[in-house]
Parts: sequence; structure tokens; C-alpha cells
Amino acid sequence: GAGVSQSPSNKVTEKGKDVELRCDPISGHTALYWYRQRLGQGLEFLIYFQGNSAPDKSGLPSDRFSAERTGESVSTLTIQRTQQEDSAVYLCASSLDSGYDTQYFGPGTRLTVL
Amino acid sequence: KNQVEQSPQSLIILEGKNCTLQCNYTVSPFSNLRWYKQDTGRGPVSLTIMTFSENTKSNGRYTATLDADTKQSSLHITASQLSDSASYICVVRSGGGNKLTFGTGTQLKVEL
Repeated sequence: GAGVSQSPSNKVTEKGKDVELRCDPISGHTALYWYRQRLGQGLEFLIYFQGNSAPDKSGLPSDRFSAERTGESVSTLTIQRTQQEDSAVYLCASSLDSGYDTQYFGPGTRLTVL
Repeated sequence: KNQVEQSPQSLIILEGKNCTLQCNYTVSPFSNLRWYKQDTGRGPVSLTIMTFSENTKSNGRYTATLDADTKQSSLHITASQLSDSASYICVVRSGGGNKLTFGTGTQLKVEL
């Protein structure tokens, strides 16, 4: 694909609901990253995939957060029982492989939990 | 704890003027430092990457410097344009892994 795409671009949900955020990386990129960006704050690393496995899940803030990747392509980030503090922009990035430095970012999904 | 601090937090300049953004880091071991530009509502886009041995690197009107001794980097923008209005984020990679530490960014606004 031309770039990293994410969907939805905006998501408004009620507290306690589950949400799924999707990321389509650049075709051929084996590494995929999820970040969270709260308003006025820097990017916060959540999880990274090399292929379909996740060697580093250290950034996931709680067990309500999970992510999976299939076919070394699409990834979904799932947040269960959303809380208001989960409101943020969730950014996905991909790179050729985990040792390749340049990460290409998607436009993000803005999540608002009411 | 690895940290990246940027200053100023925000900046307003007139079109055509130059500006310099600062980044101080305490990341160890250091691998490289990258400056990203993030337009409103978009994902960050890489501008430059600096490794330990590089002191300065240019990309058009953007010039980045790195002082590995003082752990400081700067991004200089010359002859600013309205399209330079964005958040500029300093990101430092620690050696041996995929851990990136992001600064909170400098919000630049270029006005007529």
C-alpha cells in the first residue's frame, strides 16, 4: 500500500464498552508498532510485532489492552471495558523489520471515551 | 529512566524567519536520534536521523545538530514557511533494542 492506514479515524464510545482499532501496515513491512498519544503529551510505546509475534508488550498499560497481528499484515488493538483515561490518539507505525530504523506512521485513531 | 526533553514547548514565528528547537536526552546506551514532524491530525514523519558520530545533518531547510557529549540536539529551520507549522518531536533510540523514547514535542506556528 501507499502508506500505513488506520481505522476508524475517530471513535467515540461509552465507558465500559470494548473497542477495536485496526492498522494496515505498508505491504512488506514485518515490524509493526502501536503507540498512544494523550493530549499534549509525547508518544507512549504500547507494543511491537515482528511478524505475527509480539516480542515486546511492555508498554501495554493494563490487561484491558491486547493486540494481535495476523498474516504478518493487519493488526488490531483491543481495549476492553474502556475507561475515560483511555481517551487518546492511537498511532500505528511499521518498518521493514525490527532492526530497520525508519518507522512510517499512520494517521492515528482518535478515541474518546465518554 | 530514559527521558527526552524538548524546548520550547511552543513557538510562534513570522514567515521567513529562522528558528531553533532544542532536545536534551538522558538515554543510555545511545543508538540514534531522530527528528519527526507531525502535522495536526497526521502521524509523525521522519525529518533526519543522527548517529553518534554525526554532528550535523541537513534536509532542505532543516538542519539537525547532535552533541553526544552533552546529550543535546537541535533542529534549525531556515526561511520558515506556513507549512512548517506542526509539532516537532525528538525521538531517541537506545542501543540493542527497539525502545524509542519520545519527547513531548515543540509546537511551532508560522504566521504571516
